[in-house]
Amino acid sequence: DGGITQSPKYLFRKEGQNVTLSCEQNLNHDAMYWYRQDPGQGLRLIYYSQIVNDFQKGDIAEGYSVSREKKESFPLTVTSAQKNPTAFYLCASSHRAGNTIYFGEGSWLTVV
Amino acid sequence: ELKVEQNPLFLSMQEGKNYTIYCNYSTTSDRLYWYRQDPGKSLESLFVLLSNGAVKQEGRLMASLDTKARLSTLHITAAVHDLSATYFCAVDKETSGSRLTFGEGTQLTVNP
Repeated sequence: DGGITQSPKYLFRKEGQNVTLSCEQNLNHDAMYWYRQDPGQGLRLIYYSQIVNDFQKGDIAEGYSVSREKKESFPLTVTSAQKNPTAFYLCASSHRAGNTIYFGEGSWLTVV
Repeated sequence: ELKVEQNPLFLSMQEGKNYTIYCNYSTTSDRLYWYRQDPGKSLESLFVLLSNGAVKQEGRLMASLDTKARLSTLHITAAVHDLSATYFCAVDKETSGSRLTFGEGTQLTVNP
């Protein structure tokens, strides 16, 4: 089936650790995105990539890093520099600008 | 800075009633998206509105866009319990790529 797969669905992180959230899509979409959602709030853009080997910071990029080595993959690393990482993380993709953006099932990250 | 405001933020309505959710945004944009989110789940795309005067309908939901007023509406007709969810509007802040700015969401509860 075509879609966006995020893993893991639930992740616990100790303070000071880096963690990487996986996002894979088999929709042949050019653009991929990472959003963060805090309880009771809307989504905020962390990073986005419109083409392989290129990505741009979104509105809240500090403490996060990404790579786009393959068209279908856009992993997000939450570094120890991110002071309040507990949130719901959503990966998304789209064919190109102006097209519908589709979301994965999300990953819950909790700092313990 | 692009701001997107939804109102109301919370809406409780009875089955069979009609209501409208409003989405105002602060800068010029020709692309507006509506999404639905069930508790603990990802976002489901409902509508993509790409031009002034665009109107789209799916079942009991109808969305419209007035780019001159910087306003989109999501109208609910004869609400049913299954429509209970949080509804987000999102505006594309760039013409060269899809960088969505989301509203805070409207939490809709439809009571029997």
